[in-house]
Amino acid sequence: RKEVEQDPGPFNVPEGATVAFNCTYSNSASQSFFWYRQDCRKEPKLLMSVYSSGNEDGRFTAQLNRASQYISLLIRDSKLSDSATYLCVAPSTSGATNKLIFGTGTLLAVQP
Amino acid sequence: DGGITQSPKYLFRKEGQNVTLSCEQNLNHDAMYWYRQDPGQGLRLIYYSQIVNDFQKGDIAEGYSVSREKKESFPLTVTSAQKNPTAFYLCASSKVLKTYEQYFGPGTRLTVT
Repeated sequence: RKEVEQDPGPFNVPEGATVAFNCTYSNSASQSFFWYRQDCRKEPKLLMSVYSSGNEDGRFTAQLNRASQYISLLIRDSKLSDSATYLCVAPSTSGATNKLIFGTGTLLAVQP
Repeated sequence: DGGITQSPKYLFRKEGQNVTLSCEQNLNHDAMYWYRQDPGQGLRLIYYSQIVNDFQKGDIAEGYSVSREKKESFPLTVTSAQKNPTAFYLCASSKVLKTYEQYFGPGTRLTVT
């Protein structure tokens, strides 16, 4: 099983819609996760962190489900500018404390 | 403005040639990283460095080399031993105690023919 797995999409949604994507992880001991956003042909940028209590930032909500080993990202009232690839990121399980494992990303396309 | 710069943005090389990709940061970060990104795959770690004059292999270090002579600079050399060098290369940096918050440069697209 991959350390981090995401549905590649694409998720095509109309403006104003609510959309959610999940990401499954294999290391049950992981305490924290992260969502990065990557625009087409650009570099990734940290969007938000996810801990046991979840995280909300405006229209974005990230939650962690330890029992089922997945994290989710919910985007409310989608904007055209939300169109991007969303990367799920977890700490490495290899023992190195400063390595991250990036998922392959979920592509979101918000349609006018 | 603080940030990470990578140059060049696009690079074309013939097979068999070594090529060095530049990465410079002025964020005063101790840790720096090199990743490659291929279509349909997540970012894969090539090398990382937590301090000047020290670096560690990542998951796919074969065919690559790095140096860290200055805090601000972490150049990556793609050698002729790298079997599939064509990719999007991303450099990142972070504070050592906040490795999850990595700041990326704009990337270099390397094409080897």
